[in-house]
Amino acid sequence: EDQVTQSPEALRLQEGESSSLNCSYTVSGLRGLFWYRQDPGKGPEFLFTLYSAGEEKEKERLKATLTKKESFLHITAPKPEDSATYLCAVLGSARQLTFGSGTQLTVLP
Amino acid sequence: DSGVTQTPKHLITATGQRVTLRCSPRSGDLSVYWYQQSLDQGLQFLIQYYNGEERAKGNILERFSAQQFPDLHSELNLSSLELGDSALYFCASSVDVATDTQYFGPGTRLTVL
Repeated sequence: EDQVTQSPEALRLQEGESSSLNCSYTVSGLRGLFWYRQDPGKGPEFLFTLYSAGEEKEKERLKATLTKKESFLHITAPKPEDSATYLCAVLGSARQLTFGSGTQLTVLP
Repeated sequence: DSGVTQTPKHLITATGQRVTLRCSPRSGDLSVYWYQQSLDQGLQFLIQYYNGEERAKGNILERFSAQQFPDLHSELNLSSLELGDSALYFCASSVDVATDTQYFGPGTRLTVL
């Protein structure tokens, strides 16, 4: 059974204070690792897809990296509008997305 | 805006009732997925359809069923509703099923009283 564990559960940062979110996973036959951002009461918004260890992707202040056991979402100089819950999910050989419980990020002005 | 639409936005109903949630995928996407998100369970995969045919089943109760129509829109039917069915229900779509990214709709908030 595929499993995803995200840490920390919650993170409070000052504006401009860089940090990283962790996503540890076990999966049978990784087909992709996905990062989403979710605002309260809204649908998850796609951020990145990573397919193989060593891959990195960037978008504005966000950078996602992937190893064989975990993925990191690095947030550089965050702004209050980056506050949201960040979800990690894996797609394995069962071809079903398995989500972690998310990291709730709050960026204080 | 992901391009995935869901109706209604909110639904309030009573225990024992039946409701239907509707989803229209992004233009060109053939695959539709349904998810349930509750406070204590997180995002749980329910069922997937590809071009009208059921492709995968997750943690979907027997009281729940879904279908995908020839125009590719999908409906999720929830019957004999219980208090515990109160949740956000999301639809997602992708071009294919292999490794394609899933794009999520805005969700339907179901409240069972």
